[in-house]
Amino acid sequence: DSGVTQTPKHLITATGQRVTLRCSPRSGDLSVYWYQQSLDQGLQFLIQYYNGEERAKGNILERFSAQQFPDLHSELNLSSLELGDSALYFCASSVGVGGGRYNEQFFGPGTRLTVL
Amino acid sequence: TQLLEQSPQFLSIQEGENLTVYCNSSSVFSSLQWYRQEPGEGPVLLVTVVTGGEVKKLKRLTFQFGDARKDSSLHITAAQPGDTGLYLCAVPNFGNEKLTFGTGTRLTIIP
Repeated sequence: DSGVTQTPKHLITATGQRVTLRCSPRSGDLSVYWYQQSLDQGLQFLIQYYNGEERAKGNILERFSAQQFPDLHSELNLSSLELGDSALYFCASSVGVGGGRYNEQFFGPGTRLTVL
Repeated sequence: TQLLEQSPQFLSIQEGENLTVYCNSSSVFSSLQWYRQEPGEGPVLLVTVVTGGEVKKLKRLTFQFGDARKDSSLHITAAQPGDTGLYLCAVPNFGNEKLTFGTGTRLTIIP
């Protein structure tokens, strides 16, 4: 158990819909990261938040957005869903910013999103 | 953006054999991490290497960071079925903390 929790575990929805994925980081971790993993794309970085502020952005679509709340939990919002958005979405957390062990990431169990 | 190449992409060996997988790049890294991921689960951090030439051992797993900090290897001795999984290397991007992951080596240990 990494200490990172994600809900829901599974999500099935239709094209055009909007969903929200939730993540609670390990106690004491200030950074939260979101990743998308599909069979043919590997683990793709979407976005990082540190202590409530956006820190780094990856290949995140404009239809996707995220935020980190004062209690440090984070939500990833996916809208206008398409079939190709079906994937595993992982949240990870780390202590904070900096090199070496500061960016060791601890992953949650993931949310499996299926868009029909 | 650093490009991490992992080899082999797939590896299937018998229980008890030894194996080595590699993570290579043309860039120099401040540190490098190895993760193992099992199907349907999140990656689990195995080790972080920081110093060029550094060797770390985790039971039957030996991790080495290249002298020039451009590559790394993971050696498993006497492989067991529990070692089966996707092995990912990852490096931080210079200037920020996001990690770039390699494409992974999918390892299968046959009992």
